[in-house]
This record gives sequence, structure tokens and C-alpha cells, in this order.
Amino acid sequence: SQQGEEDPQALSIQEGENATMNCSYKTSINNLQWYRQNSGRGLVHLILIRSNEREKHSGRLRVTLDTSKKSSSLLITASRAADTASYFCATDPSNYKLTFGKGTLLTVNP
Amino acid sequence: DTAVSQTPKYLVTQMGNDKSIKCEQNLGHDTMYWYKQDSKKFLKIMFSYNNKELIINETVPNRFSPKSPDKAHLNLHINSLELGDSAVYFCASSPQSGTWWEQYFGPGTRLTVT
Repeated sequence: SQQGEEDPQALSIQEGENATMNCSYKTSINNLQWYRQNSGRGLVHLILIRSNEREKHSGRLRVTLDTSKKSSSLLITASRAADTASYFCATDPSNYKLTFGKGTLLTVNP
Repeated sequence: DTAVSQTPKYLVTQMGNDKSIKCEQNLGHDTMYWYKQDSKKFLKIMFSYNNKELIINETVPNRFSPKSPDKAHLNLHINSLELGDSAVYFCASSPQSGTWWEQYFGPGTRLTVT
């Protein structure tokens, strides 16, 4: 099985609500990245958090990392219809390549 | 202004054919990648080049051969296409090799083998 796995697989919320997605991984990491993929498009980098960081913010995004539990969460506050996309976490079980999960499909209903 | 571009965007071909996908980045990055995304959205790395040198070569059939004529271009050639090769192929780049750099992805090439 792959290194990083997102949970839930799908999430549907109303505009204005917060969305939380989780990522669990198996082996130790140097850093963890979150990416967004709109339907039919390439992935877009959102945020990178290093193994010695616990929390990071970028606009409406908040990422936490708990290395003891081998898990990370991505919180999107005050969601918008434009946030509808798949969200992937990527971990680095080795220093030279990223391993992606299968993603969480977020649907934000207007 | 396109950072990472791929051609073609769609590719429909028959089994047994040979096809190529081209990728170019204008970001001045040293490292480029090829990923395959299957129908379940699982994204898996195939190859990576750093300054025209192959640094990642995952367990990929020999029918797949990457070529990097210069550090701004990374092409993917596929021989004897099979049904299982149908997927979306993404090119990506990063400033340098290593997982502490963010990756910039192209729009993808949807390959359909019939």
C-alpha cells in the first residue's frame, strides 16, 4: 500500500463551512506536502510542512503535522465553491521522491 | 506564461503503436519528473531527471523511455502500447532534486489505448 493515505475519500460541504482532510503515513518523513487538483488539471502545490514543524498557515489553509501519530491534517476555512477539487498529501519516505495518496475529493456546494 | 507545458493534451491510439509525449518548463528548474495517474487518481512517479541526468527510474516497463535533450525538456516515449497504459501522464518540475522543493505540474496528457 502507498505511504500516504487521505481520509475521507470524499467530503461534501456547504459554502462557508470549514473542511478538514487527514493524511496518515507509515514511515518517518522529512517533510509533507499538500497539493490540490482541479478536475482535468494538473496538481498545484499548496503548502509544505517540515518534520520539525507542527503547524503552518497559508491564507485560508492550515496544516498540522503530528509525527508521533504519523498524521497530518489540512483545514480549509470559510470554503468557497472554487475550492472544489481533489486534495493530495505527498510524503517522502526517501529523500529523493514524493509518494502521493489517492486524495480526498472535496465538493463545496454553493 | 505557461510554466510547465505538455503536448498533446489528449492522445488516442491503438494497441501496439509507439507514441511520444513532450514536456517543457520555462521556470529554469533543474529537475523534471514524469508521473502516471490511473483511473482511481493514484499518482505514481515514473522517472526523474536532474540537469539531463536520470536520477529516478521506478519499476516501469522497458517500453517506457524518457529523454531529456536539455534541462528544460523531458519527453516520454512509449513503445508497443498496451491497454493498461491508458492513464493521465503528468510532467512536473522543481528547482532542484530532493523532496524539500515544491513541484510544478503540467496540465497532463490523457492517453487512451484502444
